[in-house]
Amino acid sequence: GEDVEQSLFLSVREGDSSVINCTYTDSSSTYLYWYKQEPGAGLQLLTYIFSNMDMKQDQRLTVLLNKKDKHLSLRIADTQTGDSAIYFCAEKTGGFKTIFGAGTRLFVKA
Amino acid sequence: DVKVTQSSRYLVKRTGEKVFLECVQDMDHENMFWYRQDPGLGLRLIYFSYDVKMKEKGDIPEGYSVSREKKERFSLILESASTNQTSMYLCASSSPRDRGDNEQFFGPGTRLTVL
Repeated sequence: GEDVEQSLFLSVREGDSSVINCTYTDSSSTYLYWYKQEPGAGLQLLTYIFSNMDMKQDQRLTVLLNKKDKHLSLRIADTQTGDSAIYFCAEKTGGFKTIFGAGTRLFVKA
Repeated sequence: DVKVTQSSRYLVKRTGEKVFLECVQDMDHENMFWYRQDPGLGLRLIYFSYDVKMKEKGDIPEGYSVSREKKERFSLILESASTNQTSMYLCASSSPRDRGDNEQFFGPGTRLTVL
């Protein structure tokens, strides 16, 4: 069935780059997303990539998609303490459903 | 500014009580969703609705029902709350008319505790 997997925790030092990885199973995914959830808040779309793209860059964020391996990553350059949050990988499958991963908690050490 | 609001941030109920969680969006979105969020499990879809009075079961509908009488409002109902329904409940909405990415907009969540 459809599944999205990601590691649950990542710790980095302020100023370093963070790389959060995700794997998914549905090869018919059209869009892949990264959502960010700050403490006490709902999820907010951070960035997304269409399935026919390999890479997308948006300021400090770089998304890489390896469709062959069904692997998605999010790189945050110059990570700041304000980037501490839970990051959810998600894929849009056919119809209305979006499948979310369990979320990776990013902890940024000052 | 787009907005999805949920009726309560925190709720404490007793086992067996009927519980209503309300969600309202002001973006004229067709699609609305209810998820529960549990540590290590991420977001799991309970129900979604693609139009007024239309609903579809998600991955974990057991013990829940929903109501969508008006486009802007989507209610989640726990007919007889149980302790294993203690969780964070997130409502979201989206519209196929928006950007092709079908971004979902989330409410702040309701943390429900069932004693």
